[in-house]
Amino acid sequence: KAGVTQTPRYLIKTRGQQVTLSCSPISGHRSVSWYQQTPGQGLQFLFEYFSETQRNKGNFPGRFSGRQFSNSRSEMNVSTLELGDSALYLCASSLVVSAKGDTEAFFGQGTRLTVV
Amino acid sequence: LAKTTQPISMDSYEGQEVNITCSHNNIATNDYITWYQQFPSQGPRFIIQGYKTKVTNEVASLFIPADRKSSTLSLPRVSLSDTAVYYCLAHTGGFKTIFGAGTRLFVKA
Repeated sequence: KAGVTQTPRYLIKTRGQQVTLSCSPISGHRSVSWYQQTPGQGLQFLFEYFSETQRNKGNFPGRFSGRQFSNSRSEMNVSTLELGDSALYLCASSLVVSAKGDTEAFFGQGTRLTVV
Repeated sequence: LAKTTQPISMDSYEGQEVNITCSHNNIATNDYITWYQQFPSQGPRFIIQGYKTKVTNEVASLFIPADRKSSTLSLPRVSLSDTAVYYCLAHTGGFKTIFGAGTRLFVKA
């Protein structure tokens, strides 16, 4: 069974540009979450999608957006890139959304974004 | 959402048992406790999850006392490859999962 696939693995962009990252969840998983990981801030929650609907959002500016398609694949977009957006962007998928927290999340390898 | 507190780092030697304790004083009644492992430049990997008492799988054990205000991840006989960051979460699987700073475990030969 294929794991969570994130593309591309590495990306270099220039300040002011915009970028789109892609995440393909494990087959059958309907929940996709995105995280930003930096050495200084650790793993920070960006947003979560379930059945094409954004269920929750972290404390990031509106330059960060996402969407989920009917096949559960998800994309996140960052517009007007800043140097501080350089990070490892991780996507996680899970079978369902559980308010109890008893659902295991499976993470992809991430996309390493460098903004120069 | 319960805030978790873990030691920033721990050192151990190969073959030893490692216990990492996580504090989650305001854990909600329905919250589960989950531990993840992360290697550099990779996504976190699920290790173990529990609600109360003791849970054991092929890689670790999780001890949760009756008051559920803390939990302890136990790694038996660690090896060099267990050097990683370990995250304790007291709510996961959706609805704004929050990762703390994690515990950096360094296993020495």
